[in-house]
Amino acid sequence: DADVTQTPRNRITKTGKRIMLECSQTKGHDRMYWYRQDPGLGLRLIYYSFDVKDINKGEISDGYSVSRQAQAKFSLSLESAIPNQTALYFCATTGTSGRDTGELFFGEGSRLTVL
Amino acid sequence: AQSVTQPDIHITVSEGASLELRCNYSYGATPYLFWYVQSPGQGLQLLLKYFSGDTLVQGIKGFEAEFKRSQSSFNLRKPSVHWSDAAEYFCAVGSLLTGGFKTIFGAGTRLFVKA
Repeated sequence: DADVTQTPRNRITKTGKRIMLECSQTKGHDRMYWYRQDPGLGLRLIYYSFDVKDINKGEISDGYSVSRQAQAKFSLSLESAIPNQTALYFCATTGTSGRDTGELFFGEGSRLTVL
Repeated sequence: AQSVTQPDIHITVSEGASLELRCNYSYGATPYLFWYVQSPGQGLQLLLKYFSGDTLVQGIKGFEAEFKRSQSSFNLRKPSVHWSDAAEYFCAVGSLLTGGFKTIFGAGTRLFVKA
């Protein structure tokens, strides 16, 4: 089983719908991240969380919200999806305090299409 | 603010030829530098990282990278490319904040390998 699991893996939705992408990890890491990948733009940071009570905006947080339900769970929501949010979304983790090399461990990605 | 530039959107090399992928970064303090690879349809995997010390770092799959502070560069190299190296390569710069790492990616360079 994957250490970082994202659900759903693929989703097609319509403009205006609310969508939640879920991420869970079994690595015991405190630090979790959401990125989106677009062709030619690389990965851009949406939100990150260093522990359950800590949420930070990344480069492109507008139109998104997150929830850190537990150490192992970090969800990304699109309150009202729009077509330019069509992208591949990645969840990632690093480490814990005193034990973090900065290496990101990625999930397999969630491909979202907004029609 | 951190930023990463990968000047080459795509590169084509012949199998067995050498490879160099360019990466320039902007960051005010000591950077934490990474190279990740994304094979077709796959997630991202760390190739190598630089934090401090020897400026030439070795990674997996025969890759190496050299940190040059004067040029703000962290170029990735491989002496002899294999067909299986065809993938997209991302350079990233991490900043160590109170609580954890914040990592920003470049736009990526897609490598094509011809027989």
